[in-house]
Amino acid sequence: QKEVEQNSGPLSVPEGAIASLNCTYSDRGSQSFFWYRQYSGKSPELIMFIYSNGDKEDGRFTAQLNKASQYVSLLIRDSQPSDSATYLCAVYYGKLTFGQGTILTVHP
Amino acid sequence: DTAVSQTPKYLVTQMGNDKSIKCEQNLGHDTMYWYKQDSKKFLKIMFSYNNKELIINETVPNRFSPKSPDKAHLNLHINSLELGDSAVYFCASSFSSGFSYEQYFGPGTRLTVT
Repeated sequence: QKEVEQNSGPLSVPEGAIASLNCTYSDRGSQSFFWYRQYSGKSPELIMFIYSNGDKEDGRFTAQLNKASQYVSLLIRDSQPSDSATYLCAVYYGKLTFGQGTILTVHP
Repeated sequence: DTAVSQTPKYLVTQMGNDKSIKCEQNLGHDTMYWYKQDSKKFLKIMFSYNNKELIINETVPNRFSPKSPDKAHLNLHINSLELGDSAVYFCASSFSSGFSYEQYFGPGTRLTVT
């Protein structure tokens, strides 16, 4: 079983819609949870982190964490073509472990 | 100012050669990392140094040797390069205390072994 699992996609949404990205993790001791965005040919860029159950909002982004279900998600409201990228979920428990990433395409 | 920088950005070399990648951070972080991203874009940690001390050493061939001269620098030396070493190598840094452990990545070094 993969430690951090994401649907690799691609996920395609129309401009202005809500994009929902999901991630599950296997280690119940995991402490912190991160979402990185990676454009093609670029490095991962941290966009959100969360460590408490519930929602955390930052602009158009909302991270949601449910430790009981071992599930973390990222919602992107009012999706823009510039949001098209690979989104990496990462979980910290002594080290940062990444999922395989979800490719998001926002089409005009 | 670049927060985490790496040199070189591209590295093309032949099998059997030895090469080094350098990383520097100016964020005042005390922990630095090397990650490898393969052709399927899977990002995996290789090494982690905290204040010049090796704290994470994943299952990596011993041809890979990290060196940290000080807490702002972490270099990666690779001996006897193989075709399978072709990948993008990212350096990252973070604080070790606190709760969030946010890591910031350098621009990457694309290594191609021919």
